[in-house]
Amino acid sequence: EFVLTQSPGTLSLSPGERATLSCRASQRISSNFLAWYQQKPGQTPRLLMYGASSRATGIPDRFSGSGSGTDFTLTISRLEPEDSAVYYCHQYGSALTWTFGQGTKVEIK
Amino acid sequence: EVQLVESGGGLVKPGGSLRLSCTASGFTFSSYSMNWVRQAPGKGLEWLSCISSTVSQVYYAGSVKGRFTISRDNARKSLYLQMNSLRGEDTAVYFCARDPSSVPAARGAGFDSWGQGTLVTVSS
Repeated sequence: EFVLTQSPGTLSLSPGERATLSCRASQRISSNFLAWYQQKPGQTPRLLMYGASSRATGIPDRFSGSGSGTDFTLTISRLEPEDSAVYYCHQYGSALTWTFGQGTKVEIK
Repeated sequence: EVQLVESGGGLVKPGGSLRLSCTASGFTFSSYSMNWVRQAPGKGLEWLSCISSTVSQVYYAGSVKGRFTISRDNARKSLYLQMNSLRGEDTAVYFCARDPSSVPAARGAGFDSWGQGTLVTVSS
């Protein structure tokens, strides 16, 4: 079974601070097929990053992704109030399965 | 503008069946793989199933394999999820989501468009 473990569960930071979200896979993710999504309360998930480090259309450059193999990171360089959301990592296609992490909640103080 | 609109959700008794639909507009539906993802109340996202543009490839999560069937009608620009033998733990909002590849995950670009979801409640 392919498992993605996100940490921390909740991150509480002030505007302008840097947020670092981790996603660890139980198996190597082939071709870095790892994406990140943002979901605000009552809204649909929005694609932020794909291929571990490519920003989706319209995503501001304060969002960046890195990592390979089994360890991946989403960084929000300068938090803004509208970044308050739950962030999910997602591996797609490795071992012919698609898996989401359990999510990291980012709270803006 | 890409739009995905789910329908067909509702209240169903345990053991019952339901068929969800997702109608697409604003893009060439027949060129994209499509997925179903669900989210139980207050919980995270769970991928359920995907289907390639030509229906040649279909995959399921273990939790729904044998109970749920994904299908599509490219002429009607529609995606479907037939859900049988429903259980309480199937209660969730069900989303359809687009993979910008004709073959699932071939472009490695995640799910770039999502519908608003339809709520399925399984309860007696």
